[in-house]
Amino acid sequence: EAGVAQSPRYKIIEKRQSVAFWCNPISGHATLYWYQQILGQGPKLLIQFQNNGVVDDSQLPKDRFSAERLKGVDSTLKIQPAKLEDSAVYLCASRKETGATYEQYFGPGTRLTVT
Amino acid sequence: ELKVEQNPLFLSMQEGKNYTIYCNYSTTSDRLYWYRQDPGKSLESLFVLLSNGAVKQEGRLMASLDTKARLSTLHITAAVHDLSATYFCAPGWGGNKLVFGAGTILRVKS
Repeated sequence: EAGVAQSPRYKIIEKRQSVAFWCNPISGHATLYWYQQILGQGPKLLIQFQNNGVVDDSQLPKDRFSAERLKGVDSTLKIQPAKLEDSAVYLCASRKETGATYEQYFGPGTRLTVT
Repeated sequence: ELKVEQNPLFLSMQEGKNYTIYCNYSTTSDRLYWYRQDPGKSLESLFVLLSNGAVKQEGRLMASLDTKARLSTLHITAAVHDLSATYFCAPGWGGNKLVFGAGTILRVKS
């Protein structure tokens, strides 16, 4: 079974530029998450989708961050305009709806550097 | 605000020694996850603890959960160099949102 795919793996941009990240979850996983992991910290949830609907975006800085999940499969996360403090690894995770563990499976992440 | 505290945040161990990482959380949760992260890599699931008193073991690692004390432990037995990594605990809340601790950096020295 293929894992969660993310691209690009690395991105360097200047502040005030825009950037987009892409995530393809494990096939059949209805729930998709985006996390931000700042160096030296644990991942922090930005947004949670179930199919193509938003379940929780309470920690998403909506003035600059946006995310969508068209057709309930792939998702994109966009930052516009980027700030220096957005430098982090952006992790995508997915989980299936069935089963008792509700375990989340993480992708390799996109490392963003804002200069 | 939901809070998760791990301690220690940094642990330097000699090979062959035992040690325990602690994870305390502030609000009732009925499940807890432990993840491992190697430098520059993503998170790898280690354990899923689903009930009070749950104990799971894999190799030299054993995790337990006490939901009444809001405490989980990750015990390392006879550490080896390959266990060097960062370990995160994450209690699960409604809708299975996870709130991660800051992580424990483990370095095993030979």
